[in-house]
Amino acid sequence: QVTLKESGPVLLKPTETLTLTCTVSGFSLSDTGMGVSWIRQPPGKALELLGYLFSNDEDGYSTSLRGRLTISKDTSKDQVVLTMTNMDPVDTATYYCARVRHDFLTYHYDYWGPGTLVTVSS
Amino acid sequence: DIQLTQSPSFLSASVGDRVTITCRASLAVSTYLAWYQQKPGKAPKLLIHSASTLESGVPSRFSGSGSGTEFTLTISSLQPEDFATYYCQQLNSFGPGTKVDIK
Repeated sequence: QVTLKESGPVLLKPTETLTLTCTVSGFSLSDTGMGVSWIRQPPGKALELLGYLFSNDEDGYSTSLRGRLTISKDTSKDQVVLTMTNMDPVDTATYYCARVRHDFLTYHYDYWGPGTLVTVSS
Repeated sequence: DIQLTQSPSFLSASVGDRVTITCRASLAVSTYLAWYQQKPGKAPKLLIHSASTLESGVPSRFSGSGSGTEFTLTISSLQPEDFATYYCQQLNSFGPGTKVDIK
């Protein structure tokens, strides 16, 4: 049974750094053709990909947020960590981690964590 | 980055109706297209991947088609539990969503 779960702070002040951890089970972060992505959704708005980290260590980040984001993993702990610097109230959103399946035929997110609402306010 | 548009952005329908949602991509990326359903306060749920492959456990009233830059999600007979927001996704981009509401 595949599960993902986000954990981390729920309230931050402007300029602080967000660190979220995604703990996975039911698959390995070293499984071929898989990876974990971070996706966020501001209240009442659409989904936005932040970045991804594949099992082969290939990574990528949102063009608009590049420079603020880092995604890393600890395979032995089954954890993927998102770090986002210089948080602003516009970064208030529900943050999801999701498993990405990718090969020459497909690229999709088949399992999602429940999400964690992060609020940025002074 | 690929830009995705969805139409309509909102639709009102009745139980039993056939519903079609369209997703258009700014450039063709084979059949790397997926559809998700999201209900309020919940994470998105994968419905369709690779443009037309039904995810395991998803009811057969959902179907997907298309290639190139135009794709569709069809719900053949809308059920009460289908009232939700639907998103398309291609590689690292998501569409803006289509909210399906009760008429």
